[in-house]
Amino acid sequence: NAGVTQTPKFRILKIGQSMTLQCTQDMNHNYMYWYRQDPGMGLKLIYYSVGAGITDKGEVPNGYNVSRSTTEDFPLRLELAAPSQTSVYFCASREVLAGADSEQFFGPGTRLTVL
Amino acid sequence: GNSVTQMEGPVTLSEEAFLTINCTYTATGYPSLFWYVQYPGEGLQLLLKATKADDKGSNKGFEATYRKETTSFHLEKGSVQVSDSAVYFCALSMRGAGGTSYGKLTFGQGTILTVHP
Repeated sequence: NAGVTQTPKFRILKIGQSMTLQCTQDMNHNYMYWYRQDPGMGLKLIYYSVGAGITDKGEVPNGYNVSRSTTEDFPLRLELAAPSQTSVYFCASREVLAGADSEQFFGPGTRLTVL
Repeated sequence: GNSVTQMEGPVTLSEEAFLTINCTYTATGYPSLFWYVQYPGEGLQLLLKATKADDKGSNKGFEATYRKETTSFHLEKGSVQVSDSAVYFCALSMRGAGGTSYGKLTFGQGTILTVHP
């Protein structure tokens, strides 16, 4: 299993540009998440999904959009990039276990700089 | 809202030293508690967890006990190695009504640990 993969690894955007961060998992997990990690800070949840076709906002959703058309893929879209979106973005997935808090598996991250 | 506070870092230790990284939380209800570790250039991975009061999570020589009375989940290791150098994150997740957990994690700010030979 490759686990959770993210592309690209690095990207520099100009203010106002848009892009899609790709995330794919091959573990057949229903739950998927997008977090951002700012320097010296913990991760903050942007969006999450509990299954194909179902998404919901996290703590910091403004400026982002997501879709979940398949179990495997959970892309994150940035429209009109702003310097405040400079961050490292992590995708994660989780198997749903009844009555338990199961482990989240994280991808290696995408480092995004908006200039 | 829910929050997690970790001790200020970074932490620098010599090999075989004792490690403690403090973590306290604020939550409405009874969260599950986690320690995740991030090695250089990699994503986060679960180190250990505890889901109810007085539970002890352990893995790779690391331990943490869920203390409801002090709302804490401090990470300890008796003898650190150079390979333990990483960033350590304390986190919590809450269960909704009926016990369902969406697994949404609230993280502390992370503690950088550097171990010298």
